Amino acid sequence: DAGVIQSPRHEVTEMGQEVTLRCKPISGHDYLFWYRQTMMRGLELLIYFNNNVPIDDSGMPEDRFSAKMPNASFSTLKIQPSEPRDSAVYFCASSPTGGGSPLHFGNGTRLTVT
Amino acid sequence: GENVEQHPSTLSVQEGDSAVIKCTYSDSASNYFPWYKQELGKGPQLIIDIRSNVGEKKDQRIAVTLNKTAKHFSLHITETQPEDSAVYFCAAPNDMRFGAGTRLTVKP
Repeated sequence: DAGVIQSPRHEVTEMGQEVTLRCKPISGHDYLFWYRQTMMRGLELLIYFNNNVPIDDSGMPEDRFSAKMPNASFSTLKIQPSEPRDSAVYFCASSPTGGGSPLHFGNGTRLTVT
Repeated sequence: GENVEQHPSTLSVQEGDSAVIKCTYSDSASNYFPWYKQELGKGPQLIIDIRSNVGEKKDQRIAVTLNKTAKHFSLHITETQPEDSAVYFCAAPNDMRFGAGTRLTVKP
């Protein structure tokens, strides 16, 4: 299995622009998670899905952030409009059964908003 | 979500020494306790986990111990090597939130 695949690996954009991050989970995993990692706040859970349905989005910072999972093999995290404070590494992870099983992470998208 | 506290935040050891990282949790119903390692430029990877029906699990040089009474679980790395240098995270049991991380440096 290729593991969790994220794209792009790096994204540089100007403040105010729309940013879309993409994730392909491991086939057969029912749970998909989006995390944000910064030096100040560590690894933060933004949102997670079970069987393509959003279950907990309490970590989404504000309305500028949205996430979708149109099917079992694809998810997006969108920021519109982007701000410099959104600069971080964004990780996608998937797991077979949620919190009681290992998470498999992608290699992340490093977002820089200037 | 579950609260988890991880200590220390940084740890520096000489090659060959042991390293211990500890996480404290609050939910007594927790039954799954994982540890992840994150290398530079990569996502965290599971290195070892334990379920609440056992007190200790070993895998070569790494081990995890669980004390359910005191509500903490620890990662032990013996005979440390430079390639063990990384950031280590515990995850809140049965939750998807992570501790603050421990940056381990193994000096040759």
